[in-house]
This record gives sequence, C-alpha cells and structure tokens, in this order.
Amino acid sequence: ETGVTQSPTHLIKTRGQQVTLRCSSQSGHNTVSWYQQALGQGPQFIFQYYREEENGRGNFPPRFSGLQFPNYSSELNVNALELDDSALYLCASSENRGSVYNEQFFGPGTRLTVL
Amino acid sequence: AQTVTQSQPEMSVQEAETVTLSCTYDTSESDYYLFWYKQPPSRQMILVIRQEAYKQQNATENRFSVNFQKAAKSFSLKISDSQLGDAAMYFCAYRSRPGANNLFFGTGTRLTVIP
Repeated sequence: ETGVTQSPTHLIKTRGQQVTLRCSSQSGHNTVSWYQQALGQGPQFIFQYYREEENGRGNFPPRFSGLQFPNYSSELNVNALELDDSALYLCASSENRGSVYNEQFFGPGTRLTVL
Repeated sequence: AQTVTQSQPEMSVQEAETVTLSCTYDTSESDYYLFWYKQPPSRQMILVIRQEAYKQQNATENRFSVNFQKAAKSFSLKISDSQLGDAAMYFCAYRSRPGANNLFFGTGTRLTVIP
C-alpha cells in the first residue's frame, strides 16, 4: 500500500509569483486535506476536498485554491505569493465513510520559501 | 471556535524515564476527538494516540498513554520508558465529531531524549 506522497519536496519562489503543490493520496482514500505549518507553529487547516468538491475551508484568502482529480490526487495553488506564505505545506488523505471515524494520513510536506 | 494550547515549548527526558506533555483545549462541543501526533525531523506527522471524548477510559498504545480530563478540558500524554526514537515535535490536536474532518493543532512541544 502506497502512502501519501507530495511534490516537490522544496520550492523557492519570489513575491507575486504563483505556485502549485501536488499530493497523491493513499490508495483507497477519497478525501484530501491541506494544512499550512509556519515555522515554530502547529499546522493550520486550509481546506479539504472530497470527491473532487471543496468540503470545508479554514481562514485562508481566496488566492489559496485547490483541485481534486478523479483519482483523488490533489493540487494546492497559491497566487500572488507573499512572504508570510513561506511554510511547510502538508496534505493528509483519508477515507470518508460518513460518521465513522477515519484517520488522516499525512504526507512528508512541501517546504515553500518565498523571497 | 476550538483552540488547543500546549504550554511547554520544550521538554527533555532521560532515556528509559517517563515524561508527560501537557495540552488544554477549549470547545463548546460535547462530542469530539483528541489526538497526539509526533513530527520527527522527517516532517511527516504520525498519529501516536487517539481519544474519543465520550469514552471515560484513557487511551493507551504500548508505551504511550493519555490522561483525559473532560471537565477540565485537559489532555496530557505520558511516554513511559522513553527511547531515543521518541525525540520529535509532539502536537496535540482536536477534531469535531461528527463534522468536517479538519484538525485544530496546538503549537507543539519539542521533546529531547537524553542518552
């Protein structure tokens, strides 16, 4: 069983640019959640995708957007990058089974640096 | 809104000894999950232990156990027989049940294990 993978591992961008981060969910999982982890902080929820639809969003501006594909992999897009966007971006996949508990499995993250 | 507070930025423990990491949370909900996650230098979040709020019995996973005090909104993690591999950042997290699958994380505690 393949775990959650993310690409790229590291990325350096400049202010104002756009970036796309990618996440492949674990086999059998239909839900992907994205988190932003600033240095020295805990992860903060950005949004979640379930069966290709956004299914919940945290307190992040619209320049943070996402996609989920039919194979349940996902992309996180950030437009007009700001210095404060520098962080570790984590994705987590899970199998949404309604009210039954489902564990989120995390990927290793993408470290984004904005200069 | 749910908040999670970890008041110990750093802790250290001698190998083979026991250490307790503290966590408090604030919520108006009566049914929820609490978690402890471990984040080693590899950055990948690993679930250590989970507690359902409706269960009075404290969760245990091998050398890891929790002390869940629902009225006090306290959720501490005890690591027994500490090993060098336990060195990592530890995050306390909260999730509504039922509801969206997003996790609310604390700011973390860095655990050092001294040989």
